[in-house]
Amino acid sequence: AQKVTQAQTEISVVEKEDVTLDCVYETRDTTYYLFWYKQPPSGELVFLIRRNSFDEQNEISGRYSWNFQKSTSSFNFTITASQVVDSAVYFCALSEAWGSARQLTFGSGTQLTVLP
Amino acid sequence: NAGVMQNPRHLVRRRGQEARLRCSPMKGHSHVYWYRQLPEEGLKFMVYLQKENIIDESGMPKERFSAEFPKEGPSILRIQQVVRGDSAAYFCASSPSSPDTQYFGPGTRLTVL
Repeated sequence: AQKVTQAQTEISVVEKEDVTLDCVYETRDTTYYLFWYKQPPSGELVFLIRRNSFDEQNEISGRYSWNFQKSTSSFNFTITASQVVDSAVYFCALSEAWGSARQLTFGSGTQLTVLP
Repeated sequence: NAGVMQNPRHLVRRRGQEARLRCSPMKGHSHVYWYRQLPEEGLKFMVYLQKENIIDESGMPKERFSAEFPKEGPSILRIQQVVRGDSAAYFCASSPSSPDTQYFGPGTRLTVL
């Protein structure tokens, strides 16, 4: 069975601080996908990134960066120089790459509040 | 390219009524997924469909819930005889293939009075 754990329920930072959101996953699959989604106060779910399990290269996109560590089953997300607009709930998710199950298994989310 | 469309955005029903939620996938996407976000429970998978076929309904409640994705038109999630516990946000997602990145619609907020 798959499981995604986001141990940080809520994080509050002051604008311009860096913040890291943790994600730990469990799966028996050797090939899988990891995702991060953002849910702002307006409620929609916005796709941020997909990472394949066979690609452990870290990625940077503007102020966002992702650290994938297969050895510790972690896929952490860092926001550099946070802004008020980054305030949202962030979800980490996992799906199989092969097999019949195609659904996303989500973590419980981390509520990030960036204070001005 | 328009994103995933869901309507209505907000739906209010009284106990015992039926709720119909619609989802139009992104252009070129033939895979549709429904998820439910209950307060305090997070996002849970309900069902995965391709055109005219239910591929995986392992997350669907056994009674009162059904889903379809006809050859023409949107995917429909139908909840019969709604109860207060059905109040939640229902999200639809679509992807061009599977497995692949799932892009979500804005959700339908169902409130059962």
